[in-house]
Amino acid sequence: SQQGEEDPQALSIQEGENATMNCSYKTSINNLQWYRQNSGRGLVHLILIRSNEREKHSGRLRVTLDTSKKSSSLLITASRAADTASYFCATDSGGGADGLTFGKGTHLIIQP
Amino acid sequence: DAGVIQSPRHEVTEMGQEVTLRCKPISGHNSLFWYRQTMMRGLELLIYFNNNVPIDDSGMPEDRFSAKMPNASFSTLKIQPSEPRDSAVYFCASSSDRGKVYTFGSGTRLTVV
Repeated sequence: SQQGEEDPQALSIQEGENATMNCSYKTSINNLQWYRQNSGRGLVHLILIRSNEREKHSGRLRVTLDTSKKSSSLLITASRAADTASYFCATDSGGGADGLTFGKGTHLIIQP
Repeated sequence: DAGVIQSPRHEVTEMGQEVTLRCKPISGHNSLFWYRQTMMRGLELLIYFNNNVPIDDSGMPEDRFSAKMPNASFSTLKIQPSEPRDSAVYFCASSSDRGKVYTFGSGTRLTVV
């Protein structure tokens, strides 16, 4: 079952603009992660935010987490053509023996 | 480290044939995950191993699917007999802890005709 749901499904912006993607989830979590997938490749980890954190930065990436709304956002600033990829949020519920649960992703296209 | 290594990268097989996908996790990682990715269903967790022991195989779609991890450096996912609806990209990922960061392989694109 899908825990995280990304929004929008697809996003096309001009190079240099900021890109914002959102993720909503259903159950309580230990942490939430964002991954990137280039076409035909595996997923690559970008950033992890714990349930007791509200915001985290890594280079041009900014992630926020609102546990009361069960939502997260990923902001990519000053986008580049090389940022074109699919971006997935993944949640760790912490209980039982489940692995990470991934959303269906946001396909981001950066127009040069 | 060469990362998580999967083989083959591409596999085309006829319906009814046995298919075996292979994965070598990152040395020292004690958790290994098999995922399947399709356009319709996204990324689905099939099975998860911890210290070579299968912990949760509730995502394995049918008895036609089986997975083994005979040692810490090797895992296989077998489909027998294969069907066209098994066509997907199969990913292996490993982690040093269940809730931490996953490292994915490049995947095996399986086409069953």
